[in-house]
Amino acid sequence: GAVVSQHPSRVICKSGTSVKIECRSLDFQATTMFWYRQFPKKSLMLMATSNEGSKATYEQGVEKDKFLINHASLTLSTLTVTSAHPEDSSFYICSARDEDLSAPLYGYTFGSGTRLTVV
Amino acid sequence: GQNIDQPTEMTATEGAIVQINCTYQTSGFNGLFWYQQHAGEAPTFLSYNVLDGLEEKGRFSSFLSRSKGYSYLLLKELQMKDSASYLCAVRDSNYQLIWGAGTKLIIKP
Repeated sequence: GAVVSQHPSRVICKSGTSVKIECRSLDFQATTMFWYRQFPKKSLMLMATSNEGSKATYEQGVEKDKFLINHASLTLSTLTVTSAHPEDSSFYICSARDEDLSAPLYGYTFGSGTRLTVV
Repeated sequence: GQNIDQPTEMTATEGAIVQINCTYQTSGFNGLFWYQQHAGEAPTFLSYNVLDGLEEKGRFSSFLSRSKGYSYLLLKELQMKDSASYLCAVRDSNYQLIWGAGTKLIIKP
């Protein structure tokens, strides 16, 4: 089945530094990938929709300059948290939609998530 | 606005049956998903309904009534490993996933 690889799984960084999170679709092409943020005991919050070859679409309230998204190929999207602060500490999850017409309609596959801690 | 409601927490006994309900109000409907999420892990796909009725998959079943904006996830023969959060999500007319807040299911021996 479809697999999405997300790295790193855990990262601790100092306040003020930037962190890059990678999301790769391993056995399918994904024109569209999604980035979510999840606080403890809360549901997924969509941050942005990443579109291959074009600018990401950000949800209301999400700072574009803070959370940089690049989707340079059909199998890779990256999220960079710039000038991280402790309030950015969270669980970040990506997902990709397998857009092959032969794929099941329920083609959303999630990465394993990245636990970011900013100290 | 778009809204998905599901209970915050439920408790059930090992070996029993539990039904987790989900009601939704969205702009358009292109399918409803149930995901399981263990603490600190990403969600894993459980089921997908786009037509009314019951979809059965082993110990898990999911039901949909589009006219009522209602779905439920039924878990049978509960096991301790079923302790997790269960997320209901609806794909709207723009093919965006709208997520419920999740139901934390606690299984007791």
